[in-house]
Amino acid sequence: DAGVTQSPTHLIKTRGQQVTLRCSPKSGHDTVSWYQQALGQGPQFIFQYYEEEERQRGNFPDRFSGHQFPNYSSELNVNALLLGDSALYLCASATGTSSYEQYFGPGTRLTVT
Amino acid sequence: GQNIDQPTEMTATEGAIVQINCTYQTSGFNGLFWYQQHAGEAPTFLSYNVLDGLEEKGRFSSFLSRSKGYSYLLLKELQMKDSASYLCAVRANTNAGKSTFGDGTTLTVKP
Repeated sequence: DAGVTQSPTHLIKTRGQQVTLRCSPKSGHDTVSWYQQALGQGPQFIFQYYEEEERQRGNFPDRFSGHQFPNYSSELNVNALLLGDSALYLCASATGTSSYEQYFGPGTRLTVT
Repeated sequence: GQNIDQPTEMTATEGAIVQINCTYQTSGFNGLFWYQQHAGEAPTFLSYNVLDGLEEKGRFSSFLSRSKGYSYLLLKELQMKDSASYLCAVRANTNAGKSTFGDGTTLTVKP
């Protein structure tokens, strides 16, 4: 049973560029949440997708957008990258939006230079 | 708003017991989570408390007092592999995804 997978593992981008990160949820899960984790800090909630719609959103600018596909996989897009966007981006999956247990993927380490 | 506080660092000895505290102030409450995160890895779920009291799961126990906005994670019989960051997270509504995390407590277990 595959767990949550994310790609790529690492990514280096330049300020102003755009990036797309990908997540495949754990088998049987239909809800995907995205988090940004800066070094030395806890994860911060970006948004959540369920039934191909954004259901909840944290305090992140519109430069952060996402998508969920019919197979429940998801993408996180960040436009006009800033140095401060450098972080570990975590994806977590669950069954429905009210399940208390969610499983995290290994993350994508994004470095913006 | 949401505010979660936990100590930044703790050190303990192998075989000992350690208690990691978490206090929270949130506009709503629908459960508190503890996660373990080893350096460079994803957080892994340890426990979930929604009612007051102690939940025990092997060497790990978690306690919640909703009236005090307080929780702790108790780790017994510490092992070297328990060296990690421990994250406290609160969800304000029924949506587990939209949880607010503390910055984590880095626990170092020494021989």
